[in-house]
Amino acid sequence: DAKTTQPPSMDCAEGRAANLPCNHSTISGNEYVYWYRQIHSQGPQYIIHGLKNNETNEMASLIITEDRKSSTLILPHATLRDTAVYYCIVRVGGGNAGNMLTFGGGTRLMVKP
Amino acid sequence: GAVVSQHPSWVICKSGTSVKIECRSLDFQATTMFWYRQFPKQSLMLMATSNEGSKATYEQGVEKDKFLINHASLTLSTLTVTSAHPEDSSFYICSASKAGGTDTQYFGPGTRLTVL
Repeated sequence: DAKTTQPPSMDCAEGRAANLPCNHSTISGNEYVYWYRQIHSQGPQYIIHGLKNNETNEMASLIITEDRKSSTLILPHATLRDTAVYYCIVRVGGGNAGNMLTFGGGTRLMVKP
Repeated sequence: GAVVSQHPSWVICKSGTSVKIECRSLDFQATTMFWYRQFPKQSLMLMATSNEGSKATYEQGVEKDKFLINHASLTLSTLTVTSAHPEDSSFYICSASKAGGTDTQYFGPGTRLTVL
């Protein structure tokens, strides 16, 4: 699986958009970009994933650059409950349930009042 | 949908005893379940991949005789830490992928094991 690079920490003001970047310059054509987050002492929570098109769901938006070498997770209106470690993971998709996830260090997002 | 539960949520045991942790997919069938552990201030590390009805595949450095994994049904996988020692104290987390669906993994809430 391609390695990802994320800033170790970021701050965001409550109510503002949080933009979390991720570099994955060695991503392969069949690798998807997944985002998870982990609130302290809980299991990771799936947020969103995409291949090459931008994606949006009720939690966030995922913007993938045209060359797919980087992406940005956008939380449109951050709340204090969004304080967590956010993990960007790239891995082969295609419906194979056995494809594992490799977690890096993630970005520790602190949402401040 | 896609809810995964773990039991117990925390456990304290004496050194040398065995501890069983259950992972259940509550509203879907999971062909594959994964077990991770996480030490304080570190990221999740995959321990093993478990497929229903077959033997688990362990990651390098994980002792299969110490961490027994059973995936007897499409909704239940168990991890047994045998002869636990203080260095096994960690946060154990399972995840599951839906059978026949996308390969998105859904995680349980984790089990905190403390070995005295």
